Amino acid sequence: DAKTTQPPSMDCAEGRAANLPCNHSTISGNEYVYWYRQIHSQGPQYIIHGLKNNETNEMASLIITEDRKSSTLILPHATLRDTAVYYCIVRVTGRSNYQLIWGAGTKLIIKP
Amino acid sequence: EAGVAQSPRYKIIEKRQSVAFWCNPISGHATLYWYQQILGQGPKLLIQFQNNGVVDDSQLPKDRFSAERLKGVDSTLKIQPAKLEDSAVYLCASSQAGGTEAFFGQGTRLTVV
Repeated sequence: DAKTTQPPSMDCAEGRAANLPCNHSTISGNEYVYWYRQIHSQGPQYIIHGLKNNETNEMASLIITEDRKSSTLILPHATLRDTAVYYCIVRVTGRSNYQLIWGAGTKLIIKP
Repeated sequence: EAGVAQSPRYKIIEKRQSVAFWCNPISGHATLYWYQQILGQGPKLLIQFQNNGVVDDSQLPKDRFSAERLKGVDSTLKIQPAKLEDSAVYLCASSQAGGTEAFFGQGTRLTVV
């Protein structure tokens, strides 16, 4: 079962910041939060991941609350090409591997 | 660098037939994953290989699904016999051993009629 909860869809105006929320209230202390996105008819693409601290890379910023029960992915200047399904994922530790537990994601639509 | 290659891109078969999908991961990536993605859902891990060994196949329906990665490079996923509920996109991904980022192929869209 998915360990994350996301809104099913969101809109954002082109050029504005897109803020995508995610709840992961049952996350354990050693479990990472990952974000991937999937553009229509393509495979998922890695965006960013974090454990406790806020993270930033060339694509996005990840803000994790102090209690780690929720996080927000920020796309600072959304473009039409950012229209995609965004997945917030918890990486759990199995017996011999790490596993990404995917939910249904948020469909983000960037409007001109 | 070349990405993860999958073939075929699309496949339509009748129920009870068999089908096979092929994946060639990024060169040097020791870890290979097969995921099933049903329409409207996130991907579900079917099997994970580390080189040519199986690390996790706990969600693979072993009565009809099989996968192999004989030389630790490319991999084949087979379904025999197919059921209607197997209609989905089958995604292959690869990562470096212990890597934090998985790279996905475009997937194979299977329709079982």
